[in-house]
Amino acid sequence: AQSVTQLDSHVSVSEGTPVLLRCNYSSSYSPSLFWYVQHPNKGLQLLLKYTSAATLVKGINGFEAEFKKSETSFHLTKPSAHMSDAAEYFCVVRAGYSSASKIIFGSGTRLSIRP
Amino acid sequence: DAGVIQSPRHEVTEMGQEVTLRCKPISGHDYLFWYRQTMMRGLELLIYFNNNVPIDDSGMPEDRFSAKMPNASFSTLKIQPSEPRDSAVYFCASSLRPDAEAFFGQGTRLTVV
Repeated sequence: AQSVTQLDSHVSVSEGTPVLLRCNYSSSYSPSLFWYVQHPNKGLQLLLKYTSAATLVKGINGFEAEFKKSETSFHLTKPSAHMSDAAEYFCVVRAGYSSASKIIFGSGTRLSIRP
Repeated sequence: DAGVIQSPRHEVTEMGQEVTLRCKPISGHDYLFWYRQTMMRGLELLIYFNNNVPIDDSGMPEDRFSAKMPNASFSTLKIQPSEPRDSAVYFCASSLRPDAEAFFGQGTRLTVV
């Protein structure tokens, strides 16, 4: 079985300061992990993905995430927040070695940026 | 490719009516997913298909919901009869491989009055 837990439902940072959105996962198999972003009243856009290659993954818009197997974590970071980063962020897990490969979303973290 | 295409974008219907949501996945993608998003419950996986075969429908809330995938390029999600609590945004997504990311459509915003 697989699951994903986003530890914060809401994070608020000042523009120009670092962003940290936390995610822990559980999976019976070696997982693929993803972060998606959803701006208000918009669809879901892939930010970055980990699929068993390099553990530090770079994504779009300056975001990064590090896969830490020992901690079962996949936290999302950005060195300097921008107003346009305000959105909902979803951590996603997928155990993908068979036809039974569902995609499970975390509950989401709403990121607010203070001017 | 135009991406995952969903129709309609918006649907307003009266309680008790039948509603059909449609999805065209990206060509060549073997997996298709239906999700429902609400403020209260977040993003819920309803059902997913592999090579047109339903693999897991444990997320389908009730017998009023049904999904089909008659061929590799088309899927439907039907609600009959619809109820106000079915109001939500319904997303369709597709992916190429069992370890790959999913590409999402723009969603269908369903309002049942």
